[in-house]
Amino acid sequence: DGGITQSPKYLFRKEGQNVTLSCEQNLNHDAMYWYRQDPGQGLRLIYYSQIVNDFQKGDIAEGYSVSREKKESFPLTVTSAQKNPTAFYLCASRAGTTNYGYTFGSGTRLTVV
Amino acid sequence: KNQVEQSPQSLIILEGKNCTLQCNYTVSPFSNLRWYKQDTGRGPVSLTIMTFSENTKSNGRYTATLDADTKQSSLHITASQLSDSASYICVVSVGAGSYQLTFGKGTKLSVIP
Repeated sequence: DGGITQSPKYLFRKEGQNVTLSCEQNLNHDAMYWYRQDPGQGLRLIYYSQIVNDFQKGDIAEGYSVSREKKESFPLTVTSAQKNPTAFYLCASRAGTTNYGYTFGSGTRLTVV
Repeated sequence: KNQVEQSPQSLIILEGKNCTLQCNYTVSPFSNLRWYKQDTGRGPVSLTIMTFSENTKSNGRYTATLDADTKQSSLHITASQLSDSASYICVVSVGAGSYQLTFGKGTKLSVIP
């Protein structure tokens, strides 16, 4: 089945550590996105990539980094510089030639302990 | 500033009853509006997508309406089921090739027996 896979589903991080969230898609979509979701708030864009080896900052990129070495993969690293990383992280992808057809992964819940 | 406002914040209804969720937006230029259903701890799943020229679109027991003049949309759920308990998110897409999405904060619907 085609879709987006995020892993792990739950992740615990000690303060001061970097952690990497995985996002893989087999939809052959060009664009991929990372969003952060906090209780009572709408999704906020962290980073996005419209093509391999290129990515752009979203609204809340500080403390995060990404890479796009392969079309299928768009990992997100939450660095120690992110002061409030506890949140639900969602990855999405979209076919390159349309403004329709965003597909979301099932999310990763990150908790700082 | 592009904004999407949803109401009510939360709603409790009895199984079998109908309900309507509201979405007002101030997004320009408008491309399309979509409604997503998000179960707790999962990624959003698309219910409907409407462009400027579409007034209504149905997906089973879900019917979305769009009034582009007043910049309002509604999602009507008919004969609610316990499985409808979820958050419903209104998302407006900015046009002109930017592919930017503006998310509402969602309405949390609880269907009780």
